[in-house]
Amino acid sequence: EAQVTQNPRYLITVTGKKLTVTCSQNMNHEYMSWYRQDPGLGLRQIYYSMNVEVTDKGDVPEGYKVSRKEKRNFPLILESPSPNQTSLYFCASSHSGTSEKLFFGSGTQLSVL
Amino acid sequence: GENVEQHPSTLSVQEGDSAVIKCTYSDSASNYFPWYKQELGKGPQLIIDIRSNVGEKKDQRIAVTLNKTAKHFSLHITETQPEDSAVYFCASGGSYIPTFGRGTSLIVHP
Repeated sequence: EAQVTQNPRYLITVTGKKLTVTCSQNMNHEYMSWYRQDPGLGLRQIYYSMNVEVTDKGDVPEGYKVSRKEKRNFPLILESPSPNQTSLYFCASSHSGTSEKLFFGSGTQLSVL
Repeated sequence: GENVEQHPSTLSVQEGDSAVIKCTYSDSASNYFPWYKQELGKGPQLIIDIRSNVGEKKDQRIAVTLNKTAKHFSLHITETQPEDSAVYFCASGGSYIPTFGRGTSLIVHP
């Protein structure tokens, strides 16, 4: 089954404790991206990747890092989380960019205390 | 950058009625306009999309219309059913950073 898998589903952490949210897709997609969803603000892109070792900033990249060492994986790293990063995070992928269907993961609800 | 406005933020209808959600965008270079449906506890899923060289597209009870001159596009759902209740997002694509509307919570009352 074609899917984007995110882990964990829920995460509670404390300020400053490094964390990683994993994302994996099994569709051989070149394009992968991360979004955060906040009430009343919709979905905002954090980072995206066009292919292995190619990443770039989205609209809200501050406080986040990503890496794309393998085509299927695109982890999101918060090296020093802060309470304003409490949000619902989604990973998404598509064959080659944003002019086509995005496949989203099920989301990761992060709470930073 | 691109700006996408979506209205209304909440829409309540009776089962069987039609629902219309509207979006406007600012970047005339945008060429791809998808609509996503997000059910509670799930990620958004594409329900229909339209490209800039087409004015209307239909898929059973769902249709999307695009007016490039006025820079707006709309989602039309006919004969609504309780399972249509969800949050709907429009988006504007064409670059590597899509811009999403803020979402419309559609409630269909049985």
